[in-house]
Amino acid sequence: QSVLTQPPSVSGAPGQRVTISCTGSSSTIGAGYDVHWYQRLPGTAPRLLVYGRNNRPSGVPDRFSASKSGAAASLAITGLQPEDEAEYYCQSYDNRLRVFGSGTKLTVL
Amino acid sequence: QGQLVESGGGLVKPGGSLRLTCAASGFVFSDFYMSWVRQAPGKGLEWLSYISDLETYTNYADSVKGRFTISRDNAKKLLFLEINSLRVEDTGIYYCAREGLGVADALDLWGQGTMVTVSS
Repeated sequence: QSVLTQPPSVSGAPGQRVTISCTGSSSTIGAGYDVHWYQRLPGTAPRLLVYGRNNRPSGVPDRFSASKSGAAASLAITGLQPEDEAEYYCQSYDNRLRVFGSGTKLTVL
Repeated sequence: QGQLVESGGGLVKPGGSLRLTCAASGFVFSDFYMSWVRQAPGKGLEWLSYISDLETYTNYADSVKGRFTISRDNAKKLLFLEINSLRVEDTGIYYCAREGLGVADALDLWGQGTMVTVSS
């Protein structure tokens, strides 16, 4: 089982706002490590969506934003679009190890 | 921006071995830490291992420690993952990924993946 816990699924209608949580522990997110977020569209490799303190690589729209508090983090997606339907993963660290969240399937209704 | 291309996957019997290769292009390979990540069918992403830019440091997930070995050839811009004593649960897509500079070490470049199937 994954070290970081995410809800298995979330859904929303086009234009709505959804959030995806990522719960860690005192040895992962709670230890102050960065949290990154990835998007995996069906049949494609994951891509980096948000890194560190709410930074987006070029080409990622500002509809995607991230936050962190204590041992948890969250990804918010505003103005939901059909092409946002994908799997989303958080990633952080446990000492020198990298750890992923369990993944969340976003369905756009 | 760069590109990563994995190869070496295939169908292997339990107990067998495989060597996966990741060919890098379009960036200075020796400047970056590299990782291997896999996704089993119907499961989420699982980080497996990383290697430092000059091969000084390596680390492994507990689930693969002792069976997997990561290495690299900076002159040829190649990353490797040696997998021994393969198990059915090792089946999945194996991705190589670059730990970016200036992106808080996030995995900012991914290959398309290579499929490993372990079955008798």
